[in-house]
Amino acid sequence: EDKVVQSPLSLVVHEGDTVTLNCSYEVTNFRSLLWYKQEKKAPTFLFMLTSSGIEKKSGRLSSILDKKELFSILNITATQTGDSAVYLCAATLNSGYALNFGKGTSLLVTP
Amino acid sequence: NAGVTQTPKFRILKIGQSMTLQCAQDMNHNYMYWYRQDPGMGLKLIYYSVGAGITDKGEVPNGYNVSRSTTEDFPLRLELAAPSQTSVYFCASSYDRASYEQYFGPGTRLTVT
Repeated sequence: EDKVVQSPLSLVVHEGDTVTLNCSYEVTNFRSLLWYKQEKKAPTFLFMLTSSGIEKKSGRLSSILDKKELFSILNITATQTGDSAVYLCAATLNSGYALNFGKGTSLLVTP
Repeated sequence: NAGVTQTPKFRILKIGQSMTLQCAQDMNHNYMYWYRQDPGMGLKLIYYSVGAGITDKGEVPNGYNVSRSTTEDFPLRLELAAPSQTSVYFCASSYDRASYEQYFGPGTRLTVT
């Protein structure tokens, strides 16, 4: 059975801290892993990773994929209160047509 | 360019009632998806479509039906609503297969009592 597991499930940090969110996956015929940020409403896209070892970066956020160990991490440096959200990772299902989501990591950044 | 739109935003149904959740996209995407998200859980795929006239079941299709008569629209039908269908429903679309970015609508919060 395909599965995506995220850890931790929730996290509270102070502004300025650096956080690392984890995502492990077991997906048949893996294609790519995606990270989304979900605030009050719909998930918004952050990164798509298809190759091992190549870091994707956007401002204070970065992510990397390890296809040998079947995991990905999302790093956020110098956290701000606006980073408070649920971060979802998702891997493609074996059909390749849709995403298999983890339960998410709920991040709270306190002032 | 409105992206993915969903109506209604909120709805309360009584057990046994039926309703249709509307979803439309104006990005000319071939692929469209319906997910549900229960509290504290990730999104689970209900149905998806790879183009007009083609739909297929996802992980949790029971109690739902879909149709795709045009590229733009992908309505989700709930027949005989049950409390277990209380959830937030998201519609999404993508240009190509799921290995590409999916764009999500704002969601419909449905309560069945």
